Amino acid sequence: DQQVKQNSPSLSVQEGRISILNCDYTNSMFDYFLWYKKYPAEGPTFLISISSIKDKNEDGRFTVFLNKSAKHLSLHIVPSQPGDSAVYFCAASGRGTNAGKSTFGDGTTLTVKP
Amino acid sequence: DAGVIQSPRHEVTEMGQEVTLRCKPISGHDYLFWYRQTMMRGLELLIYFNNNVPIDDSGMPEDRFSAKMPNASFSTLKIQPSEPRDSAVYFCASSARQGFTDTQYFGPGTRLTVL
Repeated sequence: DQQVKQNSPSLSVQEGRISILNCDYTNSMFDYFLWYKKYPAEGPTFLISISSIKDKNEDGRFTVFLNKSAKHLSLHIVPSQPGDSAVYFCAASGRGTNAGKSTFGDGTTLTVKP
Repeated sequence: DAGVIQSPRHEVTEMGQEVTLRCKPISGHDYLFWYRQTMMRGLELLIYFNNNVPIDDSGMPEDRFSAKMPNASFSTLKIQPSEPRDSAVYFCASSARQGFTDTQYFGPGTRLTVL
């Protein structure tokens, strides 16, 4: 049972346009959500996060939206740049017995074309 | 801080050999995670520790895998005996959970190839 799903394995956009990466989760105990970016031959690095008490968090070109009723979050990158080309992982964590542990999606490979 | 340090960066071994991967977490972090990334299974959590104590090892694929954290600044992941299907990139990550903060900091990974 995959609790965090990124249904699009890949996404290709033109430089300057918006990139929208989607993530769905099933566990209602999740209360904190993160996006990580991963370049080849490197470990994932933290990009942006949101807690369940908010529905939007913005950091420069990156905005994460959370729809708790739909158990869905999305990452918007505006404008997209070639350097944004990477694998993006969605992750979720919650309180309770697994506090501190994040569950990751399978990742979406974003390609931004010049 | 140097970040999470993993060694070796690359490991090539033959089937049946013992493999030991090493990790030094960020100082002050009380959580340590071992992940494995493959094309087929994505990024999967193998085991994680809190204050050097294993909390959840349900992701460890089988008894050939073992992990230890003898102190707050060092952890090992051992595979004995290794098999070709263990070939993957293994990541170590650490975090310090404070309130809602749950950001994990990943090391560069160890690329393991078992021939």
